[in-house]
Amino acid sequence: EVQLQESGPGLVKPSQSLSLTCSVTGYSITSNYWGWIRKFPGNKMEWMGYISYSGSTSYNPSLKSRISITRDTSKNQFFLQLNSVTTEDTATYYCARSDGGYLDAWGQGASVTVSS
Amino acid sequence: DIQMTQSPSFLSASVGDRVTINCKASQNINKYLNWYQQKLGEAPKRLIYNTNNLQTGIPSRFSGSGSGTDYTLTISSLQPEDFATYFCLQHNSFPNTFGAGTKLELK
Repeated sequence: EVQLQESGPGLVKPSQSLSLTCSVTGYSITSNYWGWIRKFPGNKMEWMGYISYSGSTSYNPSLKSRISITRDTSKNQFFLQLNSVTTEDTATYYCARSDGGYLDAWGQGASVTVSS
Repeated sequence: DIQMTQSPSFLSASVGDRVTINCKASQNINKYLNWYQQKLGEAPKRLIYNTNNLQTGIPSRFSGSGSGTDYTLTISSLQPEDFATYFCLQHNSFPNTFGAGTKLELK
């Protein structure tokens, strides 16, 4: 059974970069697609982007200049970096796997607050 | 971006009730619509994918229907463990977009 676990700092200062790790067990990230989604206070959700089995990426155009998703296949982890954060990036960040039916398995989420 | 309008935002119901939750897309999403359940502090759980395909392990009291722009999640007979938040996701077009969620509460 695949399991995903987000990790990273819970507090980031404005203008700095947010960096999160998704550690995957039970399934290789060299298969399928692996994405990041966030849920804002107030419960609005936003699809941020994904990295594919081959390492190609796709990003939400609203974030395209600030986001990077990378991976380390030797550790079976993938990563989110979001640059130049503001308080509006305060959210719970989820990583997830996509099968043919899309976003079938999710992590529990990592809460990130942007504040000075 | 495709806008997903989910209704209702809140729903009070009793064990045994039949409930429906709706998502309306701002344009045709060709049945690429998933439903998820989320409980506080837990990972979202996929219930239904591509409108009407029941995820393995999900009870058959959950079902989905719809086409074009209008989609429905039905729970045929609520069980105590079903009180949670439900949301829809369209994956027909990038960027994929979500409904705002429905909080299902015990009446």
